[in-house]
Amino acid sequence: EPEVTQTPSHQVTQMGQEVILRCVPISNHLYFYWYRQILGQKVEFLVSFYNNEISEKSEIFDDQFSVERPDGSNFTLKIRSTKLEDSAMYFCASTIPLSYEQYFGPGTRLTVT
Amino acid sequence: DQQVKQNSPSLSVQEGRISILNCDYTNSMFDYFLWYKKYPAEGPTFLISISSIKDKNEDGRFTVFLNKSAKHLSLHIVPSQPGDSAVYFCAASRSAASKLTFGTGTRLQVTL
Repeated sequence: EPEVTQTPSHQVTQMGQEVILRCVPISNHLYFYWYRQILGQKVEFLVSFYNNEISEKSEIFDDQFSVERPDGSNFTLKIRSTKLEDSAMYFCASTIPLSYEQYFGPGTRLTVT
Repeated sequence: DQQVKQNSPSLSVQEGRISILNCDYTNSMFDYFLWYKKYPAEGPTFLISISSIKDKNEDGRFTVFLNKSAKHLSLHIVPSQPGDSAVYFCAASRSAASKLTFGTGTRLQVTL
């Protein structure tokens, strides 16, 4: 069964450093998302991406964040200058047009020290 | 932003019994609701969903009920099995392919 994959599974970085989190969505999916979950809190939407542009973003997704689909398979989230409060699990998700069900990857645990 | 709420952080049920997980929402623009199951160190896994035009959807041991007037939905698992032990998230959406708004989750423990 096709799955969303994410790399790395765990990333440790120092405050102020740039990180890139990578995702490979399910191959025939056209909508892509990033969510995050801070420890003990709920899963929060960050951004959605369709047709090579951002279709929706949350207040969390400020100028420090960017997304890109650099090729036909990868979808990336870049945090330019990480802060301690960026420490969280980051989940990538994807879906097909006209669908409500989103399929999530296993997540990347980002730890900012 | 408490548009989707799960007021029970945890629930313990004996194997074989029914598990009932509850979810309330405040935004009447939501038109589709989903339940996700999450194990530690894994991503949320889609379980079952329901459109706002229905009041019930069933898939094997899992049934979701929607009460639009009360802005309430519930997930019933019967019979509960030890492998059902996980955190269950309720989520809501305003339209196809738009963002999901999640509740805080309910940790279900199914005991032997």
